[in-house]
Amino acid sequence: DAKTTQPNSMESNEEEPVHLPCNHSTISGTDYIHWYRQLPSQGPEYVIHGLTSNVNNRMASLAIAEDRKSSTLILHRATLRDAAVYYCILRYLQGAQKLVFGQGTRLTINP
Amino acid sequence: DTAVSQTPKYLVTQMGNDKSIKCEQNLGHDTMYWYKQDSKKFLKIMFSYNNKELIINETVPNRFSPKSPDKAHLNLHINSLELGDSAVYFCASNEGALSGTGELFFGEGSRLTVL
Repeated sequence: DAKTTQPNSMESNEEEPVHLPCNHSTISGTDYIHWYRQLPSQGPEYVIHGLTSNVNNRMASLAIAEDRKSSTLILHRATLRDAAVYYCILRYLQGAQKLVFGQGTRLTINP
Repeated sequence: DTAVSQTPKYLVTQMGNDKSIKCEQNLGHDTMYWYKQDSKKFLKIMFSYNNKELIINETVPNRFSPKSPDKAHLNLHINSLELGDSAVYFCASNEGALSGTGELFFGEGSRLTVL
């Protein structure tokens, strides 16, 4: 399984942008990059995904490096509700689908 | 309406007992999963079913037996519970292998405590 590496924790201030990095140097051409987050005492929830191009949705933006060996999840204006563990995951296009979760980044938002 | 619902939310039981956790999804998805999140917060996939057929079976003790009566339900039965089985178990579903975004929808989790 291709692996991802994320910082254990990050801290930011409310209403400021947050850039959450992820390294995936062994990514293959058919791997999608997915981001999920887990709020306290809840199940993980989908945030965004991409393959090669940068992606935007109502929750966040995903910036993917040209060589695809790294990506960055961008929260444009963090709120206290964004405090969660953020997981960067590679999804294989072929065969049985399984999302393998790493340790994630615990994001703390200061008021 | 809750998309993926699990019952019970909390379960406290003694070692050696047998217990079940039920999961239902009303999203019309073909594929359902069980994940385990231990005390260190690592989420590990256990099983996956696609249209009632087992497609992923990770290295899980055979005391754990998933059952899918139809594609909207995936239950998890655990025999002879051990202390190490204490964890939060998450059910999830998605459209399946090559469909859509593959976005996983998770339930709220079932916290199992074995005493």
